[in-house]
Amino acid sequence: DQQVKQNSPSLSVQEGRISILNCDYTNSMFDYFLWYKKYPAEGPTFLISISSIKDKNEDGRFTVFLNKSAKHLSLHIVPSQPGDSAVYFCAAAPAGNNRKLIWGLGTSLAVNP
Amino acid sequence: KAGVTQTPRYLIKTRGQQVTLSCSPISGHRSVSWYQQTPGQGLQFLFEYFSETQRNKGNFPGRFSGRQFSNSRSEMNVSTLELGDSALYLCASTRLVAGGQFNEQFFGPGTRLTVL
Repeated sequence: DQQVKQNSPSLSVQEGRISILNCDYTNSMFDYFLWYKKYPAEGPTFLISISSIKDKNEDGRFTVFLNKSAKHLSLHIVPSQPGDSAVYFCAAAPAGNNRKLIWGLGTSLAVNP
Repeated sequence: KAGVTQTPRYLIKTRGQQVTLSCSPISGHRSVSWYQQTPGQGLQFLFEYFSETQRNKGNFPGRFSGRQFSNSRSEMNVSTLELGDSALYLCASTRLVAGGQFNEQFFGPGTRLTVL
């Protein structure tokens, strides 16, 4: 049972436009959410996170939105750049002592020049 | 500060063999997690070690095992390799902070294991 779902395996956008990557979760105990970016042959790198007490977190071109009632979060990249082409993973951590990350399957983003 | 290091970076083995992968976490990080990444399967959690003790375990068969040393370095072992074990194995370390706050994981570059 996939508790964190990234329903779009791939996404293609034009350079300069907005990229929107979506993530849905099923476990209401999740209280911390993270986005990681992964280039081929490298480990994932942390991008941005959001706590469940917020509905938005912004860091430069990257903004994460959280809709707790819909159990949905999204990552917006504006403007998109070719260097943003990578696989993006959404991950969630449950509240409590055992904060094991639960990962989505990833969305491959291609930003075309 | 040095990042998470994993050795070897690439490995080719044949079915039935065993393999040991090594991970050195970021200095000061005491939690080490291992993941398997295969195309279409995302990041599958293997196990987490903290202070030399396995704290969490994923749904992998007993052929997959791990350990952590007193210096926080960790190894994972896969015995009786199968073709389906071919994957990128990632190690991540975390700095735990008091108060129940969550801290992001820092990943190494991974070990690419190919089983022939």
